Amino acid sequence: NAGVTQTPKFQVLKTGQSMTLQCAQDMNHNSMYWYRQDPGMGLRLIYYSASEGTTDKGEVPNGYNVSRLNKREFSLRLESAAPSQTSVYFCASSEDQRLSSYNEQFFGPGTRLTVL
Amino acid sequence: LAKTTQPISMDSYEGQEVNITCSHNNIATNDYITWYQQFPSQGPRFIIQGYKTKVTNEVASLFIPADRKSSTLSLPRVSLSDTAVYYCLVGPTTGYSSASKIIFGSGTRLSIRP
Repeated sequence: NAGVTQTPKFQVLKTGQSMTLQCAQDMNHNSMYWYRQDPGMGLRLIYYSASEGTTDKGEVPNGYNVSRLNKREFSLRLESAAPSQTSVYFCASSEDQRLSSYNEQFFGPGTRLTVL
Repeated sequence: LAKTTQPISMDSYEGQEVNITCSHNNIATNDYITWYQQFPSQGPRFIIQGYKTKVTNEVASLFIPADRKSSTLSLPRVSLSDTAVYYCLVGPTTGYSSASKIIFGSGTRLSIRP
């Protein structure tokens, strides 16, 4: 099993450009998450999806959109990138937060995004 | 949201036991305590989770007093490879919006020396 995979690993954008970060998991998990981590900081939740077809805002959703394409894939889109969105983006998944009392999240390797 | 407070950094030596304490004074009845480990340029990795008393697995132990206002992650006989950032999280693990209630703080940067 690959676990949680993310593409691309690195990306440089100019202000105003758009791009989509891809995430996929092969663990048959229902819940998926997008976080951002700024240098020296903890992770902040951008959006999450408790199940296929549902998405909800986290702590810092402004400037982002998400799409839960199917159970495996959860993408994050930046419509008009800004320098403040320079960060490392992590995708994660867990079994089913609605039902399980054991809520271990499995993280991908991250995407390092720089917006000039 | 249950806020957590943990030391910014800690140093120790190989072979020592390391205890990292986390304060969470406003923990709610249905909140669990979870610890993650993060190495540079990697995503966090789950270490241990507990609700009360003591939990032990092959990697660490988690001690939670009766009032649950704090918790201590104990790493036995650390090695250089335990150098990482450790995050204490407090929040519900069930319920539709539980993910939005789990906050990663800044973590504790643990440095292990030879």
